[in-house]
Amino acid sequence: GAGVSQSPSNKVTEKGKDVELRCDPISGHTALYWYRQSLGQGLEFLIYFQGNSAPDKSGLPSDRFSAERTGGSVSTLTIQRTQQEDSAVYLCASNLGGRAEAFFGQGTRLTVV
Amino acid sequence: GQQLNQSPQSMFIQEGEDVSMNCTSSSIFNTWLWYKQEPGEGPVLLIALYKAGELTSNGRLTAQFGITRKDSFLNISASIPSDVGIYFCAGQPLEYGNKLVFGAGTILRVKS
Repeated sequence: GAGVSQSPSNKVTEKGKDVELRCDPISGHTALYWYRQSLGQGLEFLIYFQGNSAPDKSGLPSDRFSAERTGGSVSTLTIQRTQQEDSAVYLCASNLGGRAEAFFGQGTRLTVV
Repeated sequence: GQQLNQSPQSMFIQEGEDVSMNCTSSSIFNTWLWYKQEPGEGPVLLIALYKAGELTSNGRLTAQFGITRKDSFLNISASIPSDVGIYFCAGQPLEYGNKLVFGAGTILRVKS
């Protein structure tokens, strides 16, 4: 597609369950970012992938959070044993790597009940 | 460190007024970006700045990359109701390569 695509758009899960959030970046973009946005807050950096380099995982809040990027394209953010404080909008963005302009998807709204 | 301080936190202005917001940091940045986010949507890129001192316009929006490379401002002239939203600054700190960090956002409300 023309833009960054995220799925699902909404996810409600029970506390303790695992969830997977998917991001399809813009075709040809080598860099991919995940951010978390709590209600009324700014964007919290989670993880950054650039080509074949080791990802920058410095923003992951705990070892319950992990992300993969397969084939340099689609990325999956996994949250294990979800907690209520994980409720937020999870945003994915991509760019050409050498350029800073990052383009965002519409996000996945995660609600842990 | 790489934290961006964005101000003001919120603004409630009259339609037709000009708006100014800014971001500062103790770190040097390679790039500054300004985004707008509307409810239920992802942030949308408004302006990108790559050189110290650079002044760039996009319609009624004007942004500048500070000479010290530690700050940037965004101005909106003659505000209209559809300018409502949250405006974020973002940048790539020199020491962190391509990592993109964001300010906390400025909430803009416009009275018509």
